[in-house]
Amino acid sequence: DVKVTQSSRYLVKRTGEKVFLECVQDMDHENMFWYRQDPGLGLRLIYFSYDVKMKEKGDIPEGYSVSREKKERFSLILESASTNQTSMYLCASRGQKFTEAFFGQGTRLTVV
Amino acid sequence: EDQVTQSPEALRLQEGESSSLNCSYTVSGLRGLFWYRQDPGKGPEFLFTLYSAGEEKEKERLKATLTKKESFLHITAPKPEDSATYLCAVQLYSGGGADGLTFGKGTHLIIQP
Repeated sequence: DVKVTQSSRYLVKRTGEKVFLECVQDMDHENMFWYRQDPGLGLRLIYFSYDVKMKEKGDIPEGYSVSREKKERFSLILESASTNQTSMYLCASRGQKFTEAFFGQGTRLTVV
Repeated sequence: EDQVTQSPEALRLQEGESSSLNCSYTVSGLRGLFWYRQDPGKGPEFLFTLYSAGEEKEKERLKATLTKKESFLHITAPKPEDSATYLCAVQLYSGGGADGLTFGKGTHLIIQP
């Protein structure tokens, strides 16, 4: 079975903190993605990676960075958390291009 | 301008009452259309992939179809456990890289017993 695991279901962080969200997939997929999901806005792509150490900006990369040191792991970093980054964060992975992506269970991040 | 539009935003049906959800897209160079189901507080769960107009996929009470401008998710004789938000996403051709999916805002479906 396909498995994408996000390190936390719920996180509460303070404004200005550096936040790390971790995602691991066990399918040997080349492509990994980070989205955020907000009511009324749907899912929006933050960053994606198509290979180890490779990354591309998505639609809303401001305030975020990513790291992919190993094929199975893709990390999202909030350099200095702000309240407008309170959201549901979803990680996904995909094998070949134009095939379906599989999602993790999501991390509900609250920045206070 | 939205590239992927889902309608209706919300739909309430009685158990057994069949209906259809719509996903229309205005992009060119479509390379795949995907349907997902999402339960509250969870990540989206993959349902179907459609690649070309005329294609159909079925799974239990769900059937997805694709035309050149839209896709439908038909739900036949739904049960309360089919209640969820259904998301549509498109994959565009970019010529390189690993582009992410572009999602619609979803249809929130409630099936009443």
